[in-house]
Amino acid sequence: NAGVTQTPKFQVLKTGQSMTLQCAQDMNHNSMYWYRQDPGMGLRLIYYSASEGTTDKGEVPNGYNVSRLNKREFSLRLESAAPSQTSVYFCASRGLQGASGNTIYFGEGSWLTVV
Amino acid sequence: AQTVTQSQPEMSVQEAETVTLSCTYDTSESDYYLFWYKQPPSRQMILVIRQEAYKQQNATENRFSVNFQKAAKSFSLKISDSQLGDAAMYFCAYRRYGDDKIIFGKGTRLHILP
Repeated sequence: NAGVTQTPKFQVLKTGQSMTLQCAQDMNHNSMYWYRQDPGMGLRLIYYSASEGTTDKGEVPNGYNVSRLNKREFSLRLESAAPSQTSVYFCASRGLQGASGNTIYFGEGSWLTVV
Repeated sequence: AQTVTQSQPEMSVQEAETVTLSCTYDTSESDYYLFWYKQPPSRQMILVIRQEAYKQQNATENRFSVNFQKAAKSFSLKISDSQLGDAAMYFCAYRRYGDDKIIFGKGTRLHILP
């Protein structure tokens, strides 16, 4: 039972490099999210997608782009990485109704360091 | 814009004792959901408990219960009979009914003293 899968789990980038964090869920969920977690800042929403083909900005979208490739996959791209983007990134998903509609399920996190 | 505030960055409690974590939120909506998530050192995010705003009865899950005060916009988590495995970061979260955006507080780190 995979749930939400993120890749890679660890990545070191040089300033200015680009990379994409991949996320896939196998629960047939409609909504997907990208959060970043920094010490003392909690979880901050970067982007989210209510359904395939739609994306919306969250609290801290600057410096990121996203793609909702299909219902399963939601990727996060850093076009020109900056040290301020060093963080732990979490992908999450949520179903449409019932218990799964009221709960978000998280991936295990991706540790990104920009030097 | 909705905000979620956890005013206690860290707390400690003796094993087997009871502890209450605070959460307040700001919203003009009447229908919404509130959540408590636990994040142990493994960084995995685990749902502890959730509350629908239209329900007056406070949610309970085994040793975990909430005190939901809608008028005061307060949603505290009570952990009874604290165990060493309860040591974690706890996050309070909010989602407006019909919206997809889920907003988290900054978290409270809970230490359990043996």
